Amino acid sequence: DAGVTQSPTHLIKTRGQQVTLRCSPISGHKSVSWYQQVLGQGPQFIFQYYEKEERGRGNFPDRFSARQFPNYSSELNVNALLLGDSALYLCASSLIQGGGSYEQYFGPGTRLTVT
Amino acid sequence: QKEVEQDPGPLSVPEGAIVSLNCTYSNSAFQYFMWYRQYSRKGPELLMYTYSSGNKEDGRFTAQVDKSSKYISLFIRDSQPSDSATYLCATSNQGGKLIFGQGTELSVKP
Repeated sequence: DAGVTQSPTHLIKTRGQQVTLRCSPISGHKSVSWYQQVLGQGPQFIFQYYEKEERGRGNFPDRFSARQFPNYSSELNVNALLLGDSALYLCASSLIQGGGSYEQYFGPGTRLTVT
Repeated sequence: QKEVEQDPGPLSVPEGAIVSLNCTYSNSAFQYFMWYRQYSRKGPELLMYTYSSGNKEDGRFTAQVDKSSKYISLFIRDSQPSDSATYLCATSNQGGKLIFGQGTELSVKP
């Protein structure tokens, strides 16, 4: 079975530009979460989506937005990029959002570099 | 104060050693505890998942949770060079949002 997939693998953008990152969860998983991991730090929670609805938001500015599609795949959008947005962006999928398993499985990540 | 504290290391041990990795957390509402392994420039891989206090064993890995002291541990027996990676502890309450420690970089020398 395929795991969580993310695209693109690497991305280089200029300050002020916009970026869209994509994630496909494990087959049968309905919840997708996004995390930002800066070099040398643990991942930081950005968003969680379940059944196409936002179920949680971390402490990130409004420049960050996301959505989940009917097939449970997800996109993360970041506008007006800053140098500090350079990081590994991770997508995690889980079977359900609440009342049961919280095991989250991560994809390989998208490495974003802002110059 | 960070919600989850983890010594970043680096930790270097000889092959075959027992490795002990530890984290502390501040919020007693956390009920779910996880350990992830992350190789360089890769996504985190779920190693162990436990609910509430107690021990869980899987092969060479043992996870321990002590909710009374808000302390979580991962033990690796008979460590191998392939275990060299960064180990991340994470906790969660019912919301599903994972809160990670900084990660401990482990190097197992042949």
